[in-house]
Amino acid sequence: QKEVEQDPGPLSVPEGAIVSLNCTYSNSAFQYFMWYRQYSRKGPELLMYTYSSGNKEDGRFTAQVDKSSKYISLFIRDSQPSDSATYLCAMSRTGNNRKLIWGLGTSLAVNP
Amino acid sequence: DSGVTQTPKHLITATGQRVTLRCSPRSGDLSVYWYQQSLDQGLQFLIQYYNGEERAKGNILERFSAQQFPDLHSELNLSSLELGDSALYFCASSSRTGVYEQYFGPGTRLTVT
Repeated sequence: QKEVEQDPGPLSVPEGAIVSLNCTYSNSAFQYFMWYRQYSRKGPELLMYTYSSGNKEDGRFTAQVDKSSKYISLFIRDSQPSDSATYLCAMSRTGNNRKLIWGLGTSLAVNP
Repeated sequence: DSGVTQTPKHLITATGQRVTLRCSPRSGDLSVYWYQQSLDQGLQFLIQYYNGEERAKGNILERFSAQQFPDLHSELNLSSLELGDSALYFCASSSRTGVYEQYFGPGTRLTVT
C-alpha cells in the first residue's frame, strides 16, 4: 500500500462548478500537507499548504485536513478553464529532513 | 517562471549510455532536490543536496548519482540507462533544508530507446 493515495481521474467538470480533490494517507506522522498544481509540460507549483488539521482558504481555493480520518481535500470554487491541470498532494513529517511524499496527481479538465 | 533552470529540455539516448542533467536553483536557494516523474509512478523523490552536502536520499538507483557544486548548481548523472529510465526529471530548490515550499524547474524529458 502506498503511503499517499490519490485518484488519478481524469475529472471533467463544467466551468463554474465546485471541484473536490482528495488524498488519503496511512502515516499518522505526517504534519504538513501541500497541494501543488502542474500544468502540462511544466513543473509543479505550490498552491497551498496546511500544518496539522483544519482549513485554509485562499481566494477560490480551500484546503482541508482531517487527521482523524487521514484525509485531505482541495476545493476549487467557481472553477475556470485555466484551472485545468494536474493537482498533486504532498505530505511530510516534522523534523529536519521533511522529505515530501507525493500522491500520483488528479487530472482536472474544466470545460467552458 | 520559478527561477529554477534545467538543461537540456529534451534528451534522447540509447540503452547503456550515460547522461548528465543540469540544474541551477533560484538565486539564494541552498537546497536542491531531484525528482523523477513517470505516468505509473508519479513524482518520485531521488535526492536532496543542501549547500553542497547530501541531505536526504529517496528512491535513487545505484546507477544514478548527483552532486551540488560550490556555485550551488547541481548535476544528476544517469548511467547504464534502461528503457524504464525514460521519464521527466525535475529539479526543485528551496531556501532552507527540509521545507515544503519547493520551486520546480521546467524539467528534462529523457527518452531512452
